[in-house]
Amino acid sequence: DAKTTQPPSMDCAEGRAANLPCNHSTISGNEYVYWYRQIHSQGPQYIIHGLKNNETNEMASLIITEDRKSSTLILPHATLRDTAVYYCIAYNFNKFYFGSGTKLNVKP
Amino acid sequence: EAGVAQSPRYKIIEKRQSVAFWCNPISGHATLYWYQQILGQGPKLLIQFQNNGVVDDSQLPKDRFSAERLKGVDSTLKIQPAKLEDSAVYLCASSLEALGYEQYFGPGTRLTVT
Repeated sequence: DAKTTQPPSMDCAEGRAANLPCNHSTISGNEYVYWYRQIHSQGPQYIIHGLKNNETNEMASLIITEDRKSSTLILPHATLRDTAVYYCIAYNFNKFYFGSGTKLNVKP
Repeated sequence: EAGVAQSPRYKIIEKRQSVAFWCNPISGHATLYWYQQILGQGPKLLIQFQNNGVVDDSQLPKDRFSAERLKGVDSTLKIQPAKLEDSAVYLCASSLEALGYEQYFGPGTRLTVT
């Protein structure tokens, strides 16, 4: 499985877009990019996943670069409830490797 | 729909004692996972069941950890004997099937070994 690299922490102002980067330069052609988040004292929660194309759902958008070596999770209008650790995972139907993630702090 | 249930939510034991955690997955979910999450780290997969069979237990410390999923529904994870380094949150998750389906996580059991 490809390793992913994320910044340890980021700040975002409430109401603004939060853009969380993820580097997965060794990703293989059949590995999907998954995003989960973990709010304090809760289990992780699925956000979105994609292979090549950009994806959007009610929670977020996922932008994957054409060479697939990096991606960005976008929360269009961050709220205080979006404060959490966000995990980017490269998955090839083997097992999930959760790294240390990015702690997103949404500030009023 | 009801989520993944786990119990107990908290447990404090002394080293060398035994402990067991219980998980009830979402109804109809064939795949069940147990993860260990040490403070400040992401969850680490311990074992994965498909129905009542083990798919992956490569990271389960089998000298002290055991898990079972009788009848392909509920599951228990046991530690015997516990060590200080087993202090962590133990998360149970389930998914409709394996192979990339969305995993739904329970609230976890926080274990403290003293």
